[in-house]
Amino acid sequence: QSVLTQPPSVSGAPWQRVTISCTGSSSNIGAHYDVHWYQQLPGTAPKLLIYANNNRPSGVPDRFSGSKSGTSASLAITGLQAEDEADYYCQSYDSSLSASVFGTGTRVTVL
Amino acid sequence: QITLKEAGPTLVKPTQTLTLTCTFSGFSLSTSGVGVGWIRQPPGKALEWLALIYWDDDKRYSPSLKSRLTITKDTSKNQVVLTMTTMDPVDTATYYCAHVTSGSYANWGQGTLVTVSP
Repeated sequence: QSVLTQPPSVSGAPWQRVTISCTGSSSNIGAHYDVHWYQQLPGTAPKLLIYANNNRPSGVPDRFSGSKSGTSASLAITGLQAEDEADYYCQSYDSSLSASVFGTGTRVTVL
Repeated sequence: QITLKEAGPTLVKPTQTLTLTCTFSGFSLSTSGVGVGWIRQPPGKALEWLALIYWDDDKRYSPSLKSRLTITKDTSKNQVVLTMTTMDPVDTATYYCAHVTSGSYANWGQGTLVTVSP
């Protein structure tokens, strides 16, 4: 059972803005550990999308952005496109577990 | 260019030990701050973190699987090996290795599907 909770699914029309929440606790996100986000397209390996809360690796469109506040983090996708249909996972470090932790995952559907 | 590739059996029997090898290129596991981690994903389910080894041989394990896991590295061969004992059908999953830097899993292998069945 993951210590980082995400909504199972979110959906939006093309060009809309959607957000995905990642809720943690005082031993992970709330303890100021960085949050990272991954995109997993169908049938492929996950890919780093956002690192250290709000930074995009080279090649990731600026439609993707991350934020963090308190014990939660969020991923926003603006100008939603069909190619954004995928599963998205947050990840951080948990000091009580002394382990990396992944979120429960969110499926994004473009209507 | 950083690449990683997982190798190991595609089918194991219950109670057997699984050994997976991650062979990588484009980075060195002797560089400060660098690590290699293992993550698995059962069919249709979420990612589950398993283990991580750092450049200084510091090792971390999932608390729920710690008794069954061992992670080692061979820096000269650019390889990291994960062993998981007492395999069970619930361990059927795609197993990924990934290059870790500054806490993020920056580069991933393609994954290898391991099925546990009699």
